[in-house]
Amino acid sequence: RKEVEQDPGPFNVPEGATVAFNCTYSNSASQSFFWYRQDCRKEPKLLMSVYSSGNEDGRFTAQLNRASQYISLLIRDSKLSDSATYLCVVSGSASKIIFGSGTRLSIRP
Amino acid sequence: EAQVTQNPRYLITVTGKKLTVTCSQNMNHEYMSWYRQDPGLGLRQIYYSMNVEVTDKGDVPEGYKVSRKEKRNFPLILESPSPNQTSLYFCASSLFTSEHNEQFFGPGTRLTVL
Repeated sequence: RKEVEQDPGPFNVPEGATVAFNCTYSNSASQSFFWYRQDCRKEPKLLMSVYSSGNEDGRFTAQLNRASQYISLLIRDSKLSDSATYLCVVSGSASKIIFGSGTRLSIRP
Repeated sequence: EAQVTQNPRYLITVTGKKLTVTCSQNMNHEYMSWYRQDPGLGLRQIYYSMNVEVTDKGDVPEGYKVSRKEKRNFPLILESPSPNQTSLYFCASSLFTSEHNEQFFGPGTRLTVL
């Protein structure tokens, strides 16, 4: 079993739709959680950190469920520019950082 | 401008010819790391460094070496490249504190080993 698992997609949704991604992790001692966005052939960039209390940044909402060991990302009112691959990242000890394989999202006009 | 730079951005080489990919950051970050990204496998950590002269293996260190003689630089060395090291490589850096542990990535180096 992979340490961090994501649905690879692709998710193909119309502009304006709401889309949700989930990511599960296997190490219950994991401490930090992130969502990164990666455009084709470009470097990953931090989208948002994920906190236990949940956090929101504009159209994006991230949540953490420690009991079930998953994190989620919700995108509301999706835009064409949201088309990208979304990477779930989990950090345990001071050094171990695990990336999920990514979920591809394609927004159609 | 705060950034992580990598060179070269693209490299085609032949099996067995030693190469070095440089990585430099100007953010005074303690933590630096190398990843490779392959289709269907996501980003996998090769080596990381918590500080100068401190390096540790990640998940896929075989065939790679690193050094951290200065805080800003973290070169990746392939002593004898093989075709299975053809990949997209990213360097990243981070403050790696409890409050600021997001990583900043370089633009990537696309390596082809023939």
